[in-house]
Amino acid sequence: NAGVMQNPRHLVRRRGQEARLRCSPMKGHSHVYWYRQLPEEGLKFMVYLQKENIIDESGMPKERFSAEFPKEGPSILRIQQVVRGDSAAYFCASSPQGYYGYTFGSGTRLTVV
Amino acid sequence: EDQVTQSPEALRLQEGESSSLNCSYTVSGLRGLFWYRQDPGKGPEFLFTLYSAGEEKEKERLKATLTKKESFLHITAPKPEDSATYLCAVQAEGNNDMRFGAGTRLTVKP
Repeated sequence: NAGVMQNPRHLVRRRGQEARLRCSPMKGHSHVYWYRQLPEEGLKFMVYLQKENIIDESGMPKERFSAEFPKEGPSILRIQQVVRGDSAAYFCASSPQGYYGYTFGSGTRLTVV
Repeated sequence: EDQVTQSPEALRLQEGESSSLNCSYTVSGLRGLFWYRQDPGKGPEFLFTLYSAGEEKEKERLKATLTKKESFLHITAPKPEDSATYLCAVQAEGNNDMRFGAGTRLTVKP
């Protein structure tokens, strides 16, 4: 079992570009969560998805950010027109149905220059 | 609003010097309290889940306990490899997301 796979590990974007972060959950896990971690801060919830559905996006900024988890393929977190404040580590986690704990991926470190 | 506060922010121990990390929480109906370990540049690694007051879990040199207002992570005779940031998180009933504390950065010197 390869665990939760995130790619890329590091991503550099210029201000105004788009960032696409990918997450493949653990085999058998149908729930995906995205969290953001700013330097010296805790993990902040962004969005919770199941296959083809956004269940809770209460932590997602209203503009420029979107997430999807299609029937086939990885979950994608998309940030349009990135700004310097978007620089952070973005972690994806997954869990199976009905289980309360998560397994986290290694994260994507986004740097906006 | 659900809140999680961890203390201390940073802790330096000598190898073999036991200590405890604190996690105070406020949540409207606790579904679970979770402890994770995070090494620099990596994702959080799951350690324990606690569901009700009085519950205890152990793993090697770590022991987690839970009361109605706080959780402790006790580290017995730590080794340098225990150096990491320890994160506490709570999940409220009816919620699917976890609320994390800012973490305690533990350094164990040989």
